[in-house]
Amino acid sequence: AQKITQTQPGMFVQEKEAVTLDCTYDTSDPSYGLFWYKQPSSGEMIFLIYQGSYDQQNATEGRYSLNFQKARKSANLVISASQLGDSAMYFCAMTFTGTASKLTFGTGTRLQVTL
Amino acid sequence: NAGVTQTPKFQVLKTGQSMTLQCAQDMNHEYMSWYRQDPGMGLRLIHYSVGAGITDQGEVPNGYNVSRSTTEDFPLRLLSAAPSQTSVYFCASSYGGPSYEQYFGPGTRLTVT
Repeated sequence: AQKITQTQPGMFVQEKEAVTLDCTYDTSDPSYGLFWYKQPSSGEMIFLIYQGSYDQQNATEGRYSLNFQKARKSANLVISASQLGDSAMYFCAMTFTGTASKLTFGTGTRLQVTL
Repeated sequence: NAGVTQTPKFQVLKTGQSMTLQCAQDMNHEYMSWYRQDPGMGLRLIHYSVGAGITDQGEVPNGYNVSRSTTEDFPLRLLSAAPSQTSVYFCASSYGGPSYEQYFGPGTRLTVT
């Protein structure tokens, strides 16, 4: 069975600093997709970034980048130049070939950005 | 585009009552899903659909029914509510395939007393 693990229940970062949120996964499927979603206190789920298992380069979207280490089965999210508005829950999730885009989520990391 | 809409936003039920959570999308997405979010457990898949007339179970389907008569709508039915179904429910849709992001609705907060 596939599994996503986020070992950091909570993280603090100072404004303007970079922060890395950890995500490891377990699968024997060679084809999969990795996603990060942000959930602010208002509750909506916001898509941040996607990495495919066959992508050669790490994905980047503005201040977000995904540090994809396939051999280690990790897909850490890096947020550069943190802003107060980045305070939220962050979820790592993955899909697999043949699973009709069903997402398996980790338990999330709550990030708090401080002044 | 309205994206993915869900109604109601909040609902309180008594044990044993039934209700339907509504979900609609206007992006012509083939894939639609229902997730529940409980504290400390992330989101878990309840049911999903790969197109009109086709549905299947996810990780936690017990106590819930779905149907998909149109591409746009994917209602979730609770036949006999139980306190264990107190949760936040999210509907999502996507173009399908493992590389496409899912678009989430705003969620429905359900309390069963």
